[in-house]
Amino acid sequence: DAGVTQSPTHLIKTRGQQVTLRCSPKSGHDTVSWYQQALGQGPQFIFQYYEEEERQRGNFPDRFSGHQFPNYSSELNVNALLLGDSALYLCASSVPGQGLDTEAFFGQGTRLTVV
Amino acid sequence: DAKTTQPPSMDCAEGRAANLPCNHSTISGNEYVYWYRQIHSQGPQYIIHGLKNNETNEMASLIITEDRKSSTLILPHATLRDTAVYYCIVPRGTASKLTFGTGTRLQVTL
Repeated sequence: DAGVTQSPTHLIKTRGQQVTLRCSPKSGHDTVSWYQQALGQGPQFIFQYYEEEERQRGNFPDRFSGHQFPNYSSELNVNALLLGDSALYLCASSVPGQGLDTEAFFGQGTRLTVV
Repeated sequence: DAKTTQPPSMDCAEGRAANLPCNHSTISGNEYVYWYRQIHSQGPQYIIHGLKNNETNEMASLIITEDRKSSTLILPHATLRDTAVYYCIVPRGTASKLTFGTGTRLQVTL
């Protein structure tokens, strides 16, 4: 079992550009969540996808968007990059359902640097 | 998520038990207590979760008080590889949406 895989591992972009990050969930998982972790902070929830739809969203602007594919993999897109978007972006997947008794499995993240 | 309170940092000697406390006094009856940890520059790792009974797995034990207002994560024989930030989380609504606080930075030393 490959677990949660994210690509790329590192990325450098220029202010104003757009970026796409990718995530493949753990086998058997259908729910994918994205988090942003700034340096020295805990991860912050961006949004969650289930059945190819955005189900929940954190306090992030519309510049952050996503997509989930039929095979449950997901993309995070960020438009008009700002220096403050520099962070570790984490993807997490969880077992089917939306209950309270389900653990999340995280990938190793994509380190995005905006210059 | 229900608010949780953890000490900002703790030290533990290698080979000794590490006991990490967490207060969650606003927890509701059907909410679980989850523990995750994050080793430097890696993604968070699930450790254990519980509702009201004590839980044990290959990584740790979770002791939840009878009133469920606090819990303790126990690493029975800490090693240097257990040095990490440990997060206590009580998800509300769905356990797949997590609110991370500042956690406890555990430093295991020789």
